[in-house]
Amino acid sequence: AQSVAQPEDQVNVAEGNPLTVKCTYSVSGNPYLFWYVQYPNRGLQFLLKYITGDNLVKGSYGFEAEFNKSQTSFHLKKPSALVSDSALYFCAVGGGSGNTGKLIFGQGTTLQVKP
Amino acid sequence: GAGVSQSPSNKVTEKGKDVELRCDPISGHTALYWYRQSLGQGLEFLIYFQGNSAPDKSGLPSDRFSAERTGGSVSTLTIQRTQQEDSAVYLCASSLGGGANQPQHFGDGTRLSIL
Repeated sequence: AQSVAQPEDQVNVAEGNPLTVKCTYSVSGNPYLFWYVQYPNRGLQFLLKYITGDNLVKGSYGFEAEFNKSQTSFHLKKPSALVSDSALYFCAVGGGSGNTGKLIFGQGTTLQVKP
Repeated sequence: GAGVSQSPSNKVTEKGKDVELRCDPISGHTALYWYRQSLGQGLEFLIYFQGNSAPDKSGLPSDRFSAERTGGSVSTLTIQRTQQEDSAVYLCASSLGGGANQPQHFGDGTRLSIL
């Protein structure tokens, strides 16, 4: 069965510092990995995806993520955090054997960027 | 362009009543997904449509839940005889195709409260 783990409920960083939000996954077959961001009372916004190819994926708003197959991880990163990056971040996995396209989400990580 | 539209944005109803939630996907998107977001359970997949067919209904929690999609466009999620545990935010997403490698675009959700 597919699963996603986000080990941190909350990540706190100072504005201007680099940020990392962690994600590990479990899937049989090739994973499709996604990051989404959710602002209060809004739906999820797509940030980036890994399907195949280069392990470093660049996405919206300066975010990037690195796919590591041996560690089954897909951590979200940004070199310099902004206060406006404060939100709830979800990692998700799709694909794998028998998958119809549905996404399995992690529990979410709240990112707090302080001025 | 127009994104995924969901209505109503908020719904408060009494236990035992039936409710209908509507989703209007992005024009041209053939795949449509329903998810449920609650504090205790996180983001859960409910059902997936490809066109008007639902090849994956595996996430519907009970036979009180049903969904349909007509004309390959608008979808309605119906919950009969609502229970307090049905209180959650119901999110709809659409994607260009049904492949797991396609990013899903989410609406802002319907916040359902059962009294």
